[in-house]
Amino acid sequence: NAGVMQNPRHLVRRRGQEARLRCSPMKGHSHVYWYRQLPEEGLKFMVYLQKENIIDESGMPKERFSAEFPKEGPSILRIQQVVRGDSAAYFCASSQYQSAPSSYNEQFFGPGTRLTVL
Amino acid sequence: QQPVQSPQAVILREGEDAVINCSSSKALYSVHWYRQKHGEAPVFLMILLKGGEQKGHEKISASFNEKKQQSSLYLTASQLSYSGTYFCGTEGTGTGNQFYFGTGTSLTVIP
Repeated sequence: NAGVMQNPRHLVRRRGQEARLRCSPMKGHSHVYWYRQLPEEGLKFMVYLQKENIIDESGMPKERFSAEFPKEGPSILRIQQVVRGDSAAYFCASSQYQSAPSSYNEQFFGPGTRLTVL
Repeated sequence: QQPVQSPQAVILREGEDAVINCSSSKALYSVHWYRQKHGEAPVFLMILLKGGEQKGHEKISASFNEKKQQSSLYLTASQLSYSGTYFCGTEGTGTGNQFYFGTGTSLTVIP
């Protein structure tokens, strides 16, 4: 049973270019989360998605960042016009559906994409 | 809204015990614990869903005090493999995004 897959593992972009990070959740998981981690820092929540639906994007910067989780295919985190401050590790996690009242189930993390902006 | 963990860092000798605390300023519904080794992805340890609940995972256990909005992770008879950064994740009781990872605790176990 394959775990959460992310690609690419390493991505180098020049300032002003676009970065696309992909995440394939574990089989049977319908929820995807994206986190950003700066070196030697903690995990910062960005967005929480179900297929074709953004549940919560309160952690996403208002500009340049967007995320989707289409009916078919992986979830994609897109960063437009990257700047040096976007350099970080971006982790995706997935979970099974969690029934009320709790909204957050055990999260399985992918290996991360390390983005470097030159 | 980010939960605060203490201590920030701890160094143990093999076989020693440690306690990592996680405190939130918000009312909590659940607390998650994860461990992340350097350069790797976080790995789930456990979820505590009810106030006062305690869970165990071999020599790693945790408690959740709902009234105090705190959780503690207990590592007993530490092993070298326990080294890493431990994060708590907290789920609040209100609406909207309520899940935040804590500030992290770096644990180093030495022979």
